[in-house]
Amino acid sequence: SYVLTQPPSVSVAPGLTARMTCGGNNIRSKTVHWYQQKPGQAPVLVVYDDSDRPSGIPERFSGSNSGNTATLTINRVEAGDEADYYCQVWDSYDDQVVFGGGTKLTVL
Amino acid sequence: QVQLVESGGGVVRPGTSVRLSCAASGFTFNDSPMNWVRQAPGTGLEWVAFLSNDGSNKFYADSMKGRFTISRDNSKNTLYLQMNKVRPEDTAVYYCARRRGYSPRDAIDVWGQGATVTVSS
Repeated sequence: SYVLTQPPSVSVAPGLTARMTCGGNNIRSKTVHWYQQKPGQAPVLVVYDDSDRPSGIPERFSGSNSGNTATLTINRVEAGDEADYYCQVWDSYDDQVVFGGGTKLTVL
Repeated sequence: QVQLVESGGGVVRPGTSVRLSCAASGFTFNDSPMNWVRQAPGTGLEWVAFLSNDGSNKFYADSMKGRFTISRDNSKNTLYLQMNKVRPEDTAVYYCARRRGYSPRDAIDVWGQGATVTVSS
């Protein structure tokens, strides 16, 4: 089965840039989506189709996908961005939705 | 507004069955593929099952095949998850979630608030 690997945690000071990675074998051949989840809340889609933003998501959020790594980037990080972030793909070989283990973003 | 509301959770005994429901509103339900996703306490998201808009295609996570059944009633704008022979490791918040397009590669763009299922004797 396809595996997505995310670092457990990332820390960044307010106003700086946070980069969260999602590793997978030849992930560039897949379409990657990113979700934000704050404590006690349901996930929210923040980036879809590698790099598109749903309406209402700030332009500070962006995504990229190349080689074996997809990346979610948050520019000018704010305290309100503190959350868990999950990447997700569709594994067409096994017909399964796959989530990464999640990265906890801490705003210092 | 677009909304998904789960119900049917609670405390259940190991080996028994439970059915979750998800009432959809604010969008064309019979045009929307749907998923169930769960999250055990203190852990990450785990996909459970997918059902196409017309009910013709179903996919399940390997660990849940044979025990869980996803279904829908488009006349009632409702999605279901039948969970049989539940185990303590099925304890989780179960989210009903809409896929934003027909392709399996499409993202999940709408989530319910979740229904908690606790499996305990």
